Amino acid sequence: DAGITQSPRHKVTETGTPVTLRCHQTENHRYMYWYRQDPGHGLRLIHYSYGVKDTDKGEVSDGYSVSRSKTEDFLLTLESATSSQTSVYFCAISGGTGTKNIQYFGAGTRLSVL
Amino acid sequence: GQQLNQSPQSMFIQEGEDVSMNCTSSSIFNTWLWYKQDPGEGPVLLIALYKAGELTSNGRLTAQFGITRKDSFLNISASIPSDVGIYFCAGPFWGGSEKLVFGKGTKLTVNP
Repeated sequence: DAGITQSPRHKVTETGTPVTLRCHQTENHRYMYWYRQDPGHGLRLIHYSYGVKDTDKGEVSDGYSVSRSKTEDFLLTLESATSSQTSVYFCAISGGTGTKNIQYFGAGTRLSVL
Repeated sequence: GQQLNQSPQSMFIQEGEDVSMNCTSSSIFNTWLWYKQDPGEGPVLLIALYKAGELTSNGRLTAQFGITRKDSFLNISASIPSDVGIYFCAGPFWGGSEKLVFGKGTKLTVNP
């Protein structure tokens, strides 16, 4: 898993509650990403980071926020979870030496919003 | 925007058969990546292609970077049950971005 840890791996929560997912890397890669994966949609980018405190929106960023206070940690927050945010969330990293454009993925977090 | 069209969406084959899948775009790509996702896991890189016409193998897998730079192909020879999973193609957004655009995947089922 290229030194990427996602936590928690599974979470069930209720509509309207805040949720934070964590991605931790030990590779010192510059770029980090959050994706969601849903049947029929493939992988869709939520937010990404190109350095500490530097983040930008992806294609499905509404309802999500991110923070990166350290190189190794990238947090995804759902301020008020909705049932449409039930999904599998993947963190990815890139920017390693000699690994042009290649992203490495974590094992995923399965989130259910009831 | 840039999109990748993967086909077929799904395949059901017998163990031992060869498999072919492809990825096409209306835009030019400078890099093609092929990933495999096992059930319940994250995608794992299989093959990276960086040059038009490039043909690269990884065991029983062979991928090609199309000459037009608008397509790529992945072949699996002599399939085995552990080939089951979803195969994704991906390429960087135009302009040298680190962001990737992904195809929607080809789901492969191998019957023993």
